[in-house]
Amino acid sequence: GQNIDQPTEMTATEGAIVQINCTYQTSGFNGLFWYQQHAGEAPTFLSYNVLDGLEEKGRFSSFLSRSKGYSYLLLKELQMKDSASYLCAVRGRVSGGYNKLIFGAGTRLAVHP
Amino acid sequence: DADVTQTPRNRITKTGKRIMLECSQTKGHDRMYWYRQDPGLGLRLIYYSFDVKDINKGEISDGYSVSRQAQAKFSLSLESAIPNQTALYFCATTRTGSTEAFFGQGTRLTVV
Repeated sequence: GQNIDQPTEMTATEGAIVQINCTYQTSGFNGLFWYQQHAGEAPTFLSYNVLDGLEEKGRFSSFLSRSKGYSYLLLKELQMKDSASYLCAVRGRVSGGYNKLIFGAGTRLAVHP
Repeated sequence: DADVTQTPRNRITKTGKRIMLECSQTKGHDRMYWYRQDPGLGLRLIYYSFDVKDINKGEISDGYSVSRQAQAKFSLSLESAIPNQTALYFCATTRTGSTEAFFGQGTRLTVV
């Protein structure tokens, strides 16, 4: 089966750096994703990691360690508009060779002035 | 226009009624998914389809059915709605070999 854990809530200050952790257990790991979701809106894609290491994209970076079943999303120079939920999702291989994307419960980030 | 369109956006229905949520996409993707989102539980997979005529159950398929009428259309039905199916429902699409999923704007369903 698949299991994904991430903190429920985090708070941070505008201009600061915040790290959101995600641990997972899955069979047939085939990629880890981070999505951003503002309240009442659709999730939007932030990043994708399939190999170990750090992927940087502007103010956002995502790290993966497959041996530890661990990832983090790093947000730098926080802005008020970064207040949102951040969803960790893992793609695992299921029977028949198909991939299935499973989401964690999300981390609600509140950025304060 | 949105690439992934869900209708209706909001719906209130009574217990026991049949309701259909529709999803259409203009991205030309082969894979489509239905998720529901509840506070504190994240997105949970209901059904997914990797092509027309391909239907697969997700984590929480009981009480739901789907139909993939065409590559661009994937509908979700609640045959007899119950209050604990009150949730925010999202349709998503991906293309085989691609890493990114695209989501519709969501359907807020309330069963009273």
